Amino acid sequence: QVQLEESGPGLMKPSETLSLTCTVSGVSVSSQSSYYWTWIRQPPGKGLEWIGYIHYSGSTNYNPSLKSRVTISLDTSKNQFSLRLSSVTAADTAVYYCARGYYDYRHGMDVWGHGSTVIVSS
Amino acid sequence: EIVLTQSPGTLSLSPGDRATLSCRASESISKTYLAWYQQKPGQAPRLLIFGASRRATGVPDRFSGSGSGTDFTLTISGLEPDDFAVYYCQQYSSSLTFGPGTKVDIK
Repeated sequence: QVQLEESGPGLMKPSETLSLTCTVSGVSVSSQSSYYWTWIRQPPGKGLEWIGYIHYSGSTNYNPSLKSRVTISLDTSKNQFSLRLSSVTAADTAVYYCARGYYDYRHGMDVWGHGSTVIVSS
Repeated sequence: EIVLTQSPGTLSLSPGDRATLSCRASESISKTYLAWYQQKPGQAPRLLIFGASRRATGVPDRFSGSGSGTDFTLTISGLEPDDFAVYYCQQYSSSLTFGPGTKVDIK
């Protein structure tokens, strides 16, 4: 059974860099399959926003609106993938989810973490 | 960027009713990359439909998806109490976007 679990700082100050980690169990992040290891966020009371993904090959694709501030990376030794978002503001306050995009998103995002709440406040 | 619009914003129905949710894209998209998700308060989204009409594992057959081009529909035939939630459509071309969601609440 594939499971994802996010971990992160909880509370941050403006201008800091957000670092979140998604620990994957039940499948290897370096599996040579068409998985897109994905980050999505949801501001309080609002809808879902795709942040981006990383493929086991190392290729990435980011939301154009966040691209200048986002880095997604893989740590195959820990079976994790991570999100870094620089220069955060209050607008980055959200629940951050990691998810598995299956078969190049042709089969949607079939496994999700429970979410990690990040609050940006001075 | 492809923009998805969902209607109605809120759908007030009773258990047993049929729910019809609409998702419209700002330009034609491949049905291969159209998915629907259900989200309940305090929970992560759950994949319901992918490829516009294929049910994800474990999804009851009262959920069905249809459509092509710019117009897609999620139908719930016979609402169960567990189905009252927010539903999002999602597309992927070169970038991935979600619709704003339709809330299905109890009338």
